[in-house]
Amino acid sequence: ILNVEQSPQSLHVQEGDSTNFTCSFPSSNFYALHWYRWETAKSPEALFVMTLNGDEKKKGRISATLNTKEGYSYLYIKGSQPEDSATYLCASKGGDNNDMRFGAGTRLTVKP
Amino acid sequence: DGGITQSPKYLFRKEGQNVTLSCEQNLNHDAMYWYRQDPGQGLRLIYYSQIVNDFQKGDIAEGYSVSREKKESFPLTVTSAQKNPTAFYLCASNRGSSGNTIYFGEGSWLTVV
Repeated sequence: ILNVEQSPQSLHVQEGDSTNFTCSFPSSNFYALHWYRWETAKSPEALFVMTLNGDEKKKGRISATLNTKEGYSYLYIKGSQPEDSATYLCASKGGDNNDMRFGAGTRLTVKP
Repeated sequence: DGGITQSPKYLFRKEGQNVTLSCEQNLNHDAMYWYRQDPGQGLRLIYYSQIVNDFQKGDIAEGYSVSREKKESFPLTVTSAQKNPTAFYLCASNRGSSGNTIYFGEGSWLTVV
């Protein structure tokens, strides 16, 4: 995988549902994987930075896992709320330089 | 408050004109970045700078130019050579060390009319 890919592109869930989405990234020369939350008309906001294979991070109802060997990360949201509606971006950083490669994002809409 | 300030937020440009987007940060970050977003696509890297007076091309640098004369400032010029300049532009910064969180500005909408 040369690029960072996210799936699904968009997701509609009901309030209270749990959901998850995927980020795939190049596993060779991996250095770090970032998740960001981007609400409309605001700046993207950092959720997690993960570097080690098997890392798991949690912030409230949101958690993420990392598999650097196979090149994927999952983001989980437990008991989705309308305020969770946003675009969730992941970005991968390689070890050779300082540029970050972003996926196209997963747009989550939580219906009350 | 510390943060990244982009200006202007909305900009209209006539075809054939150059325009400069401002990005200022007071976070004392070494690295700064410019990304472009088009509908349905991810953020694409235009240019980045890891230190003052140094910058590197990203994936889509053609038609753009930057400067990094001061640590706090990383202006982006969209030149008339950029074929499809209408887009949303995001500036970002971080401490420059591997894996550090990137902080973003609120973005600038550029429309070519």
